[in-house]
Amino acid sequence: DAGVIQSPRHEVTEMGQEVTLRCKPISGHDYLFWYRQTMMRGLELLIYFNNNVPIDDSGMPEDRFSAKMPNASFSTLKIQPSEPRDSAVYFCASRRTQDSGYTFGSGTRLTVV
Amino acid sequence: SQQGEEDPQALSIQEGENATMNCSYKTSINNLQWYRQNSGRGLVHLILIRSNEREKHSGRLRVTLDTSKKSSSLLITASRAADTASYFCATNDYKLSFGAGTTVTVRA
Repeated sequence: DAGVIQSPRHEVTEMGQEVTLRCKPISGHDYLFWYRQTMMRGLELLIYFNNNVPIDDSGMPEDRFSAKMPNASFSTLKIQPSEPRDSAVYFCASRRTQDSGYTFGSGTRLTVV
Repeated sequence: SQQGEEDPQALSIQEGENATMNCSYKTSINNLQWYRQNSGRGLVHLILIRSNEREKHSGRLRVTLDTSKKSSSLLITASRAADTASYFCATNDYKLSFGAGTTVTVRA
């Protein structure tokens, strides 16, 4: 298995631009999570899906952030418009059941200038 | 919100020594998990311990859980340079909440 695949690995964009981050979870994993990691705030859960349905989006910072999971093998996290304070590493993770460990992707390092 | 809080924040040891880090949490849990993160990389799942378990081993890793004290510890025995990383505990009710991590440096 190739693990959780995220793209792009790095993204540099100008303030105000739209950014789309992509994630392919492990096949058979019913849960998908989006986390953000910064030095100041550590790892924060943004949103998670179960069987493609968003369950908890209370961590999404504001309306500029949106996430979708159109099918079991693909999810996107979109920021529109982006701001410099959105600069962070964004991780996608998946797990098979509620009682299993998470597999993380390699992350997308986003820099908004 | 961050449930797990690791202690110490940083740890520097000589290769071959043991490394111990602790994690405290606030509310009841289904399980507690430990992860490792190498610089610039994603998190790697190390071990999961369920709320009804007290101790678990995996290779050179030993994890304990004390639900009465709401605390856990991770012991890495016979450390190697490759163990240099940040270690996070994460409490799991229906989603993982991470602490700030312990940065471990193993000196050759």
